[in-house]
Amino acid sequence: EDQVTQSPEALRLQEGESSSLNCSYTVSGLRGLFWYRQDPGKGPEFLFTLYSAGEEKEKERLKATLTKKESFLHITAPKPEDSATYLCAASNSGYALNFGKGTSLLVTP
Amino acid sequence: DVKVTQSSRYLVKRTGEKVFLECVQDMDHENMFWYRQDPGLGLRLIYFSYDVKMKEKGDIPEGYSVSREKKERFSLILESASTNQTSMYLCASSERDEKLFFGSGTQLSVL
Repeated sequence: EDQVTQSPEALRLQEGESSSLNCSYTVSGLRGLFWYRQDPGKGPEFLFTLYSAGEEKEKERLKATLTKKESFLHITAPKPEDSATYLCAASNSGYALNFGKGTSLLVTP
Repeated sequence: DVKVTQSSRYLVKRTGEKVFLECVQDMDHENMFWYRQDPGLGLRLIYFSYDVKMKEKGDIPEGYSVSREKKERFSLILESASTNQTSMYLCASSERDEKLFFGSGTQLSVL
């Protein structure tokens, strides 16, 4: 059964304290691995798509990487405005995405 | 920018009522989706559509139906609302193999 598991469920960081969020997946025939950011009361907002092992993508303080079994979202020197829930999702059909339950990140000043 | 618009931000309904959630996208996307999001359960797919008048069941279709009469519009219907359908409902659209664009969500409360 296809599965996407994110860890940790919640993470609290001091401003400037770098860390990584993990997304492990068991999806046959992965077509894409997606990262989203979701603020409270809003819909998820797209961050990155990764297609093959070894691929990396960056945006401001965020960098996403992909291996054959997992993806990491590295957050470098986070700021309070990076506080949000980060969702990982995998696609194997070209249609719907299979989402993990998310990591809730809180960055304190 | 792609815009996915959900007709209501908050809805309060009574058990047994028929509920319509409307979603419109403005980018001529082939695919549209309905998810529900609950604390501790994450996003779960209810139904999706890959073409006009086409629909496919997702992981949790029971108690729901959908309608896609026009390419830009995808409706979720709760035939007889129940309290366990209280949730945040999210509509999304995409091209095949591409990222999903989400609406802002509808927080539905069934009393």
